[in-house]
Amino acid sequence: DQQVKQNSPSLSVQEGRISILNCDYTNSMFDYFLWYKKYPAEGPTFLISISSIKDKNEDGRFTVFLNKSAKHLSLHIVPSQPGDSAVYFCAASGTGTASKLTFGTGTRLQVTL
Amino acid sequence: DSGVTQTPKHLITATGQRVTLRCSPRSGDLSVYWYQQSLDQGLQFLIQYYNGEERAKGNILERFSAQQFPDLHSELNLSSLELGDSALYFCASSPTGAAPGELFFGEGSRLTVL
Repeated sequence: DQQVKQNSPSLSVQEGRISILNCDYTNSMFDYFLWYKKYPAEGPTFLISISSIKDKNEDGRFTVFLNKSAKHLSLHIVPSQPGDSAVYFCAASGTGTASKLTFGTGTRLQVTL
Repeated sequence: DSGVTQTPKHLITATGQRVTLRCSPRSGDLSVYWYQQSLDQGLQFLIQYYNGEERAKGNILERFSAQQFPDLHSELNLSSLELGDSALYFCASSPTGAAPGELFFGEGSRLTVL
């Protein structure tokens, strides 16, 4: 039972354009959501997070949107840069279980010149 | 460099064997987490230790065990290995008071069971 789903295994975007990565979840007990970025041969790196009491969180070129009614979150990267090419994992945790992150399977983003 | 060190980076072994993966957290971090990433899967939470004590447990198999030592390094022991145990095993650490889920991951230990 996959509680966090990233239905797009890959995404290709031109440099300078917007990248939108999507994530759906099924567990209504999740109340904290995160995005991690992973380069080859490296561990995942925390990127941005959002609490369920918010619907948007912005950090520079990265914005995460949360739609609780649809159980959907998205990561927007504007503008996309070649260095953003990586695998992006969506993750979620529930109240009292902050350490037990549930990860999606990842979306591989390629930013082309 | 996250500051989390994992050894070995690669390990090839046979079914039925036992291996130990080691993790040194970032200096000062008391929490250590272990995650497993099988092929084309997301990371699966295995177990968390905080200052030597088990804090949370995921779907960790009985054949797997872990501990955190007084110097805060952690070891994940995998025994009676099966082909399906082939995966990337990540260790992560976090400082006390960190925001929920904000972990610092090591580069992982890739285990191949033949």
